[in-house]
Amino acid sequence: EVQLVESGGGLVQPGGFLRLSCVVSGFTFSDYEMSWVRQAPGKGLEWISYTSVTGRTTNYVDSVKGRFTISRDNAKKSLHLQMNNLTVEDTAVYYCARVGNNHGFDIWGQGTMVTVSS
Amino acid sequence: QPVLTQPPSSSASPGESARLTCTLSSDINVGSYNMYWYQQKPGSPPRYLLYYFSGSDKGQGSGVPSRFSASKDTSANTGILLISGLQSEDEADYYCMIWSSNTYVFGGGTKLTVL
Repeated sequence: EVQLVESGGGLVQPGGFLRLSCVVSGFTFSDYEMSWVRQAPGKGLEWISYTSVTGRTTNYVDSVKGRFTISRDNAKKSLHLQMNNLTVEDTAVYYCARVGNNHGFDIWGQGTMVTVSS
Repeated sequence: QPVLTQPPSSSASPGESARLTCTLSSDINVGSYNMYWYQQKPGSPPRYLLYYFSGSDKGQGSGVPSRFSASKDTSANTGILLISGLQSEDEADYYCMIWSSNTYVFGGGTKLTVL
C-alpha cells in the first residue's frame, strides 16, 4: 500500500522552529519528486515547497523563502521540512505529497498540525 | 504570481451535473497549462481527481470514476471540472491547481453542496 506519514507538528511560539518529517512506503521514493502543501484552519490549500528526486533542485513559495528548507533522504525514504522563524501565519495542517508523472500531487499524507502561538 | 479564481460555493441536486470553474488571471493563458483538480472532504487530506491539458492529453486519478471529467474554455481563460450523475458523496471542497517550472498554484476552492 502506498503511504505517506507525516510527523513533527506541534505547538511552538512565534520565532521558534520545527522540523517536519514524512516517511513513505509502498513505492520507490527515489523515483519521485515531492512537495509540501499546507492548509490554514478553515482555509484553502497552499503549495509551499518542492524537491527534485535528488534533492538538488528545490523551490519555495515566496512567503517561506529564507525560513523553510526542504530536504530528503532517499535511503531512509523520508522527506523533511525545516521551519525556522515561525509566525502565527504559519499555523496550518502540513501535508507531504508525491508529485506524479504528470506533475500533479497524486498521493497525500494525512497531515500534521503546526500551531504557532504564544 | 498567477491567480486562480474559483467561486466559493456551488450546488446541484443528486443525479444532475455540476460544473465547477477555475479562472486564471489575465497574465497567463489556460491553454498553456495542465490543470489539476482535487477533492477534499472534511477532516481528510485532498484526493487527486484528474488533470487536463487538452482533449488528447488528460488523465484520471487512480480509482476516480469517469463521471469526473474536465475541459477548458480558452475564450474565458477558464478550466472546468464537470461532475455528472451527482451523488451525495460528491459533496466536498474542490480545488484547481496549475504547475509551472516546479512552482504550483492552487485556486481558493469551491464548496460543492449536493442538495
